[in-house]
Amino acid sequence: DVKVTQSSRYLVKRTGEKVFLECVQDMDHENMFWYRQDPGLGLRLIYFSYDVKMKEKGDIPEGYSVSREKKERFSLILESASTNQTSMYLCASSPGGIGEKLFFGSGTQLSVL
Amino acid sequence: DAKTTQPNSMESNEEEPVHLPCNHSTISGTDYIHWYRQLPSQGPEYVIHGLTSNVNNRMASLAIAEDRKSSTLILHRATLRDAAVYYCMYSSNTGKLIFGQGTTLQVKP
Repeated sequence: DVKVTQSSRYLVKRTGEKVFLECVQDMDHENMFWYRQDPGLGLRLIYFSYDVKMKEKGDIPEGYSVSREKKERFSLILESASTNQTSMYLCASSPGGIGEKLFFGSGTQLSVL
Repeated sequence: DAKTTQPNSMESNEEEPVHLPCNHSTISGTDYIHWYRQLPSQGPEYVIHGLTSNVNNRMASLAIAEDRKSSTLILHRATLRDAAVYYCMYSSNTGKLIFGQGTTLQVKP
């Protein structure tokens, strides 16, 4: 089975800190995604990547950046964490091609105090 | 803007069929329609997907409208373990994968 692993299940940071959320997939998938999930708002796409060193903005990229130096790893970076970035963050991956299904990690619940 | 629309919540009785609707009026001709579900404290998991024809698998059925602007996820016999948040999704022509807000399904014994 495909495994998407997010480095932390729970994370508490302070306002202004630089935060790294790590995601690793073990099935050589081309595509990787970062979503945030908030009550009443569903899943909103932050950034996605279709190849190494490639990134595309999603619907809510402000305040975030990403890094994909290796195919299996996709990192989400909060340059200066703010309280409105407190959320559940979900990483997903999929094989290359049209219509391929997504595989999600278990999520990281980030609290910014 | 690309978007999907789902009811916030639905209720069902155990062992009865459930029809979960989704509107995706901005979908284009090559976009697949996906459904995922999320159990408490877990990431979403794949349920089913299709392009134009209705689809069946061991978990559910997917009925796609002829104009593809809406779809319905069908759980043929709801169980208590089917209580979850159900999301529909499609890929926009920009490559983005657009999720709805999700429908919270409650199953009553």
